[in-house]
Amino acid sequence: GQNIDQPTEMTATEGAIVQINCTYQTSGFNGLFWYQQHAGEAPTFLSYNVLDGLEEKGRFSSFLSRSKGYSYLLLKELQMKDSASYLCAVMDSNYQLIWGAGTKLIIKP
Amino acid sequence: NAGVTQTPKFRVLKTGQSMTLLCAQDMNHEYMYWYRQDPGMGLRLIHYSVGEGTTAKGEVPDGYNVSRLKKQNFLLGLESAAPSQTSVYFCASSWKTEGQPQHFGDGTRLSIL
Repeated sequence: GQNIDQPTEMTATEGAIVQINCTYQTSGFNGLFWYQQHAGEAPTFLSYNVLDGLEEKGRFSSFLSRSKGYSYLLLKELQMKDSASYLCAVMDSNYQLIWGAGTKLIIKP
Repeated sequence: NAGVTQTPKFRVLKTGQSMTLLCAQDMNHEYMYWYRQDPGMGLRLIHYSVGEGTTAKGEVPDGYNVSRLKKQNFLLGLESAAPSQTSVYFCASSWKTEGQPQHFGDGTRLSIL
């Protein structure tokens, strides 16, 4: 079967750095996506990785290791507005997205 | 630019009733998707469409039907609603699949009593 694992919940302090991990086992791999979802709202796209390595976008970075079936999302200089759920999704061999259950990130002042 | 618009935003149904959820996108995207999101679970694909006039089953298609008569619209129908279909439904669209992010509507919160 196909499986995406992420921690259910994480807590971090405003101004700090947090790393959200995602491990996956899927039938094929055609890229990994990270989305942000505030409570009661739609998921919004954050990043895409298809090759190994680090992609940086402002305060957010995403890393991929295909050989290890592993990715992480790194959030720097945390702000209160970063409190949200972060969803990891892998595109499988049929080009369909397989979604993790999401990591709820709580930012404390 | 509205992006992806879903109607209605909220709905309460009784078991056995039918209804249609409407999704409209103004980005000229070829691909459209219907997902459901339940607590503690990842988004699950119900049905999807790779272009006008085409539809295909996703992971959890039972109890749902879809139609894509126009490129910009993707309709999701519940034939005979069941309490297990209580969920938040999201529509999404994308230009293509490989390497392209999906853009989501704001969701429809559906309760079946």
